[in-house]
Amino acid sequence: EDKVVQSPLSLVVHEGDTVTLNCSYEVTNFRSLLWYKQEKKAPTFLFMLTSSGIEKKSGRLSSILDKKELFSILNITATQTGDSAVYLCAVEPPITGANSKLTFGKGITLSVRP
Amino acid sequence: DTGVSQDPRHKITKRGQNVTFRCDPISEHNRLYWYRQTLGQGPEFLTYFQNEAQLEKSRLLSDRFSAERPKGSFSTLEIQRTEQGDSAMYLCASSLARQKQSEQFFGPGTRLTVL
Repeated sequence: EDKVVQSPLSLVVHEGDTVTLNCSYEVTNFRSLLWYKQEKKAPTFLFMLTSSGIEKKSGRLSSILDKKELFSILNITATQTGDSAVYLCAVEPPITGANSKLTFGKGITLSVRP
Repeated sequence: DTGVSQDPRHKITKRGQNVTFRCDPISEHNRLYWYRQTLGQGPEFLTYFQNEAQLEKSRLLSDRFSAERPKGSFSTLEIQRTEQGDSAMYLCASSLARQKQSEQFFGPGTRLTVL
């Protein structure tokens, strides 16, 4: 069964710090890895990564995938209190399969202190 | 608002009662998913539809759970004879099955509390 492990499970930083969130996975078939941000409500989409070594960026957030070592990282630079949230990593099976579910990790709780 | 919507947002019920939740996906999305999330965990897949066809159900989905998407648009998730262990956030997501990009967009969820 597919498995997604995120680390650390929780993290406390001060505004302005840079953080790196980790996601490792064990999957038999793989199409993409996704990052979501969840703030006491629905997860909101951040990134979808399908190719190894290509960094995706959105403002202060960036993410990269290593398909050889089976992990991804999410970086947040110059953190702000509004970055406080749970960050979820999920893997998606191949689109050609009948199975289209996402398998999520437990999430990383990030707290940014003023 | 053209995102995924869910109703109700909160539901408190007594053990043994039946409950039904509704999800309205983004209008052009043909795939609809139900997930369940408990405290400290990521969402766990329950079931998904492509148009009106239910293509997969998780082993988590006991026979007390049933989901429908009769016209390929909105979906309902019913839980019969609720148990305290059913207390969770029930999330609905939708996506458009395309070749290259098919990220799932989530609704606000229905938080179920079974007393």
